Amino acid sequence: KNQVEQSPQSLIILEGKNCTLQCNYTVSPFSNLRWYKQDTGRGPVSLTIMTFSENTKSNGRYTATLDADTKQSSLHITASQLSDSASYICVVSPQTGANNLFFGTGTRLTVIP
Amino acid sequence: NAGVTQTPKFRILKIGQSMTLQCTQDMNHNYMYWYRQDPGMGLKLIYYSVGAGITDKGEVPNGYNVSRSTTEDFPLRLELAAPSQTSVYFCASSYRSSPILNTGELFFGEGSRLTVL
Repeated sequence: KNQVEQSPQSLIILEGKNCTLQCNYTVSPFSNLRWYKQDTGRGPVSLTIMTFSENTKSNGRYTATLDADTKQSSLHITASQLSDSASYICVVSPQTGANNLFFGTGTRLTVIP
Repeated sequence: NAGVTQTPKFRILKIGQSMTLQCTQDMNHNYMYWYRQDPGMGLKLIYYSVGAGITDKGEVPNGYNVSRSTTEDFPLRLELAAPSQTSVYFCASSYRSSPILNTGELFFGEGSRLTVL
């Protein structure tokens, strides 16, 4: 069964600290994985896309990694800011039946001063 | 560019009432989607469209209908509202050059929060 699981469900960190969010998937055959950021009361916004051949990709203070062998991805946030408080959603696309995107339930990150 | 615009942002319905959630995009995207987001659950696909005049069911289509008469507009119709339809609804669009491979970024609207009492 194609699934996407994210951990932790929620996380509270102090401003300036780093954190890592995890995404494990069983979607096969794999095409790509996106991380989205969803601010409270807003729609999700894409942070980065990881394809099969990519291991690491950075977008400012956000760094995503992908291990296609173990079917794991992580999103590392460096030097967190209050504006990083949001839900982070992992979305996996299979190679076929491409109207099916598999969404994780998200990690709720709260950055406190 | 306004991106994806949804209206209304909030609505309260009584059981059995009907309504339409409006969605329009100005990015000339071919694909459009309607999702619902319930607390603690991942986004679930209700309906999608690959272009004007073409729509198809997603994972949870019961109780909803859509139409796509133009590239820009993709309204979602709720008939006979039920409490189970209380949710936050997101319209999204993307450009895809291939019907097989999906690497396109989804652009979401701000969401429509619907409560059915």
